[in-house]
Formats: sequence, structure tokens, C-alpha cells
Amino acid sequence: AQSVTQLGSHVSVSEGALVLLRCNYSSSVPPYLFWYVQYPNQGLQLLLKYTTGATLVKGINGFEAEFKKSETSFHLTKPSAHMSDAAEYFCAVSETGGFKTIFGAGTRLFVKA
Amino acid sequence: NAGVTQTPKFRILKIGQSMTLQCAQDMNHNYMYWYRQDPGMGLKLIYYSVGAGITDKGEVPNGYNVSRSTTEDFPLRLELAAPSQTSVYFCASSSQAPGAFFGQGTRLTV
Repeated sequence: AQSVTQLGSHVSVSEGALVLLRCNYSSSVPPYLFWYVQYPNQGLQLLLKYTTGATLVKGINGFEAEFKKSETSFHLTKPSAHMSDAAEYFCAVSETGGFKTIFGAGTRLFVKA
Repeated sequence: NAGVTQTPKFRILKIGQSMTLQCAQDMNHNYMYWYRQDPGMGLKLIYYSVGAGITDKGEVPNGYNVSRSTTEDFPLRLELAAPSQTSVYFCASSSQAPGAFFGQGTRLTV
């Protein structure tokens, strides 16, 4: 069965600092992996996705994530945090390409001035 | 381009009442989903549909029903509202490509 674990329900960084949000997954088949962002009182927006091919995936707003099969990880990074990055971030896994997507519990990112 | 539209945005129900959460998408997506979001729990899949006339249960279907008579619409029905159904509900849709488009959500209090 597939599952997702996001390490840290809250992460706080200073503006300009590296953002690292951790995600580990389990899947019985090669997975599709996603990161979504949710701003207050809004729906989720797809940030980036891994399907096949290149393991380093670039997304919107300067975020990227690397699929590491040996570590079953898909951590999200951004070199320099901006105040506008403050939001909740969800890692998700799907064995079927889209539907039956399993979401992690979410990590709320705080950015300090 | 509206994307995924959910109505209403907020609703308060008494225990035992029923209601329908509406969801419509204008992207001609075959796949549609209903999730509920509870604090610290992420999103849980309630029901999904792979096309008009085809629906299936997700992780937490009890207490809910869905129908999909058209490609565009995917309403979620609560028949006998219970306090455990207090949540934020999200409708989403997707094409064959992985990754979904989400609506703005409906905040329901029972």
C-alpha cells in the first residue's frame, strides 16, 4: 500500500535562507510523486510532479524536488526563501498516475523577515 | 477560464440535515475527485470518478454519496449530517496527465 510521511508539521526559515521540506513515501510500484502548495483559504495548487525520467524536477516559484529511489524520498527545496512562500505544502504519491492519490499530513512553512 | 468551481463556500448544518456540495469543471477532464481536509491529517479521498456514469469509493466514503451524470459536474451528497463531517471539502479534476486542479473548497460545520 502506498503512504506518505512528511517530516515536520511546521518549518520556519528566515527570508533568503534555504527551504527544505522532507517527504518520504512507500509504494509497491514505481510511483508518481507530487508537491502541492496551499495558501490560506485556497485550494491546492500543483507545484511540481515526478512521473518518469529525470529525477530532479523543477516546479513553479523556484522550487525543485529530487526523486531518490534508494531513499524513497522526494524532498522539496528552494535556494532562497521569500515571504510569499509562506503556505502549507503537501507531498503526495499515486500508483495509478492521478486518481487514488495519497496525501501527506502537510508542512506549514513560516518565513521570517 | 474558471477551472474547478465549488459551491457553496461555507455552510452550517444541523445534525441529521442533508445537503449537496456542488462541483463543476470546464476543462473537459474525465477524472474528478472529492477530498476532505482535516487539521493535521492532510487530504482524504472520499469518492472519485473516471468518467460520466462511473464512480468509486475512496478512503473515507461512509456518510457520503456521489453521482456523475455529465463530464462537467460531480456533486457530493451528505444524507444525515454528523459532527464528524465537519471539515473542509475539496473537489478536484484531472486529465490523463498526472496532477489535479483543485477548487477553492467548501467549509462545512455540523
